[in-house]
Amino acid sequence: GENVEQHPSTLSVQEGDSAVIKCTYSDSASNYFPWYKQELGKRPQLIIDIRSNVGEKKDQRIAVTLNKTAKHFSLHITETQPEDSAVYFCAATSNTNAGKSTFGDGTTLTVKP
Amino acid sequence: DTAVSQTPKYLVTQMGNDKSIKCEQNLGHDTMYWYKQDSKKFLKIMFSYNNKELIINETVPNRFSPKSPDKAHLNLHINSLELGDSAVYFCASSQTYLGVNKFFGSGTRLTVV
Repeated sequence: GENVEQHPSTLSVQEGDSAVIKCTYSDSASNYFPWYKQELGKRPQLIIDIRSNVGEKKDQRIAVTLNKTAKHFSLHITETQPEDSAVYFCAATSNTNAGKSTFGDGTTLTVKP
Repeated sequence: DTAVSQTPKYLVTQMGNDKSIKCEQNLGHDTMYWYKQDSKKFLKIMFSYNNKELIINETVPNRFSPKSPDKAHLNLHINSLELGDSAVYFCASSQTYLGVNKFFGSGTRLTVV
């Protein structure tokens, strides 16, 4: 089955700096890669996603890159703000496995003012 | 209007009891899910239903029985609750079984004492 590894598990940055979270996956059939943000005590929320036919996608201060050959994808947050502090999850989804999404173990991002 | 609503929000119960969690989505999505988030914040898929049909059934004890009376509702019944069942259970829905635009409910915190 699919295995998703996410690094780092914790990340602390100064406000205004950039943050990068990386994920690797094992199943070459995976073709949809969403990222979720979960604030303390809240539900996970989709913040950005990328499909396998695209190498990069950007939405304001967040961007995601995908390297299918190397089977890794990354989340980039620029000009971080304290409200970006949360747990971020990556996921890999394969339509050959009933669309099952396998989640990474999460990254706790802390943005210090 | 809440897109994915689940009840109850909190559930405290004794070992050995049977309990149910209900979920409803008003997004017109075809697919609904149950996820378990443990104390380490790991998110694990339990079940997925597409148009009322079970399509993902992870290695979950058979004390857990999902039921989807229609594509807008997915309930979870748990028999003979154990201490290890304590977790936050999230319902989610997505447009199709491919998991695009997945929307999570606000979660049910289950505590077994």
